[in-house]
Order: sequence, then structure tokens, then C-alpha cells
Amino acid sequence: QKEVEQNSGPLSVPEGAIASLNCTYSDRGSQSFFWYRQYSGKSPELIMSIYSNGDKEDGRFTAQLNKASQYVSLLIRDSQPSDSATYLCAVNPNAGKSTFGDGTTLTVKP
Amino acid sequence: ETGVTQSPTHLIKTRGQQVTLRCSSQSGHNTVSWYQQALGQGPQFIFQYYREEENGRGNFPPRFSGLQFPNYSSELNVNALELDDSALYLCASSESDARDTQYFGPGTRLTVL
Repeated sequence: QKEVEQNSGPLSVPEGAIASLNCTYSDRGSQSFFWYRQYSGKSPELIMSIYSNGDKEDGRFTAQLNKASQYVSLLIRDSQPSDSATYLCAVNPNAGKSTFGDGTTLTVKP
Repeated sequence: ETGVTQSPTHLIKTRGQQVTLRCSSQSGHNTVSWYQQALGQGPQFIFQYYREEENGRGNFPPRFSGLQFPNYSSELNVNALELDDSALYLCASSESDARDTQYFGPGTRLTVL
């Protein structure tokens, strides 16, 4: 079992729809959780960080964390074609030493 | 722009050679982590340096080594290159706290022939 698991996709949604990306992790001691977006051939860029149970909203993005279920998700509202990318979930048991999932590829169709 | 730079952008080496990749961290960040990202996979943690000392290592052999310098720059050295070392190498700088965000550089694409 991988330490951080994501559905590889591809996930395809129409423009304007809600995209839902999920991630589970195995280390209960994890403190910090991050979602990154990565365009093909580029480095990951941070979208959201979340540290406490519940929801955290930033513009069209909402991260949800449930530590009891060891589950973190990312919702993208009003999806745009420019949101088409691979989304990486990262978990920090220790400072800076992130464990990443393999990513979910999202395609938003116009 | 994250303020983290890496050089070179692309590199082609042959099996058995040695390579040095460079990273310049964001000013004020005393922690740098290096990751290897193979095609179709997420980044894998290689090691981290904090105040010029190695501060944790992932599941990588000793031929992967690093250095961190006082001026926020760092190096990743790989000896005896293997074909499987072909990947995107990412450095990320952060402050030392677990909650602190990592800022990734643009990466170095290494191809081993």
C-alpha cells in the first residue's frame, strides 16, 4: 500500500462543473496537507494547504480534511479549461519531507 | 515565480557518469529538499538539508549526495548514473517548521542514455 494514494484518473469534467479530487494517506502522525497543480513539463505549484479538520476555501478551491478517516480532498468549482493539469496531494509527517501521491490528471472540456 | 532557481534546465548524460545539479533557495529559507520525479509519478523525497546538515533521507542509495551552502544554494550530486535516474529533479525550499510551505524550483530534466 502506498503512503499517499490518489485516483490516477483521468478525470474529465465539462467546463463550469465541479471537479472532485481525493487523496488518502497512511501515516496518522501527518501534520500538514497540501494540494499542488502540475502542468506537463513544469514543476508543482501550491494551490492549497490545510492543517485542521474541516473545510478551507480559497476562491474556486476548497480543501477538505478528515484526519480520523485519513482523507483529504480538493474541490474545484466552476472548472475552467486552464484547470486541466495533474493534481498532486502531498502529506508532511515532518517538516519539508513531503510524501506525494502519483497525482490525478484532470481534463476540463470546453 | 517562487524565487527558487535551478540549473541547468536540461541535461543529457551517459550511464556511469556523474552529475551535479544546482539550486538556489528563496532568501531566508534555511531548509532545502530534493525530489526525483519519474514520468507519470509523483515526486519522491531524496533528502533534506537544514542549515548545511543532512536532515533526513528517503529511500535513495548513497550515490545520491548533497551539499547546502550558507548563501542558500545547494547541490545534488549523483554518481555512477543509471538509466533509471532519468527524471525531473526538483528542489524545494522552506522554513523549518512542518507547517511551512515548500516552494519548488522549475526543475532539472536529466536524461541518462
